[in-house]
Amino acid sequence: ILNVEQSPQSLHVQEGDSTNFTCSFPSSNFYALHWYRWETAKSPEALFVMTLNGDEKKKGRISATLNTKEGYSYLYIKGSQPEDSATYLCAFGGNNRLAFGKGNQVVVIP
Amino acid sequence: EAGVAQSPRYKIIEKRQSVAFWCNPISGHATLYWYQQILGQGPKLLIQFQNNGVVDDSQLPKDRFSAERLKGVDSTLKIQPAKLEDSAVYLCASSLGDIRLAYEQYFGPGTRLTVT
Repeated sequence: ILNVEQSPQSLHVQEGDSTNFTCSFPSSNFYALHWYRWETAKSPEALFVMTLNGDEKKKGRISATLNTKEGYSYLYIKGSQPEDSATYLCAFGGNNRLAFGKGNQVVVIP
Repeated sequence: EAGVAQSPRYKIIEKRQSVAFWCNPISGHATLYWYQQILGQGPKLLIQFQNNGVVDDSQLPKDRFSAERLKGVDSTLKIQPAKLEDSAVYLCASSLGDIRLAYEQYFGPGTRLTVT
């Protein structure tokens, strides 16, 4: 069983504030770390796929970092907007399988 | 490009009945996945196909679940007979290659199954 932990499980953020959350994963047999955004009533959508230790990726106001040696990734949202409200899923790619965490549920309060 | 299509979007059945879900992946995507997402948990891989061959079905409850991928394109997932604990969202996803190549997955809208 591949243990992927995401924290915090849920958070409320005031519009305009920045926030971040953590994904912890096994530090062995690593292939890739994925982040997906899942808005209510929509399909999960890929944000980032990271493969190298120290990788940093950015898409608009959202960015992510990767530390494969210690087994964690951070996702940052800068200047949160109501449209950022969603569940953010991280997934660890290892042992030829993608294992998902439970997600970080984000609600941005206008 | 067209996304991953799934049907039906919603299904309500009684326990011990049968149900089938259909998925049409993005054209050209060799790898197809079926996930089960129970409320409050992350998606759990049920089965992974590479073209029309099964790569991983270790978490598929084979006494009641079955899946096939016809001619390496469309796929169906069947539950027979359904149990109450099968209530979940069933997600289909596809990608150009498998996880070792670090391809992102493209998801369909999911089928929300309620077993009463």
